[in-house]
Amino acid sequence: SQKIEQNSEALNIQEGKTATLTCNYTNYSPAYLQWYRQDPGRGPVFLLLIRENEKEKRKERLKVTFDTTLKQSLFHITASQPADSATYLCALFSSNTGKLIFGQGTTLQVKP
Amino acid sequence: NAGVTQTPKFRVLKTGQSMTLLCAQDMNHEYMYWYRQDPGMGLRLIHYSVGEGTTAKGEVPDGYNVSRLKKQNFLLGLESAAPSQTSVYFCASSRTRYEQYFGPGTRLTVT
Repeated sequence: SQKIEQNSEALNIQEGKTATLTCNYTNYSPAYLQWYRQDPGRGPVFLLLIRENEKEKRKERLKVTFDTTLKQSLFHITASQPADSATYLCALFSSNTGKLIFGQGTTLQVKP
Repeated sequence: NAGVTQTPKFRVLKTGQSMTLLCAQDMNHEYMYWYRQDPGMGLRLIHYSVGEGTTAKGEVPDGYNVSRLKKQNFLLGLESAAPSQTSVYFCASSRTRYEQYFGPGTRLTVT
């Protein structure tokens, strides 16, 4: 069956360090992958999109990698700040179904 | 621009009651979506629309109906609410099928 897995355990890191979040998937052939940020009580906010033929994408302190062989995406936040504390969702667009499928999200806590 | 707005923000229903959730977007987006978010389940697609007058089923459509009579509005209806429909409902819109813009959510409790 098709699965998207994000680490359900919260990630706690110290301010200034790099946070790395993982998104693994099985039985998908995603055309592209997206990352969203969700704060408590709010809707998700789009951050980055990476296509299947791209290895890496950057936006300010954010970096996303996409390895279709390993079926994995890594999301990095460099020089993390307490304001980066939130839940981060990965989402795959499947060409087969034409729909965006979301992972459960990983909560990041950045401590000052 | 207000982006995506949802009405109401909170609602409590009794089992068997009906209600309609309204989603509005002012970005002239073709695509609109309704999701529900439950603890440990992530976001699940209920219904979606690829343009005015169209609707299609998502992952969990049972117990819900939708209508897209105007491009800017997408309505989600619950005809006979059940406790299993207690959830947070998010509407989203997008210009293409790529990045989606989400509303603030509606927290629904069915007792």
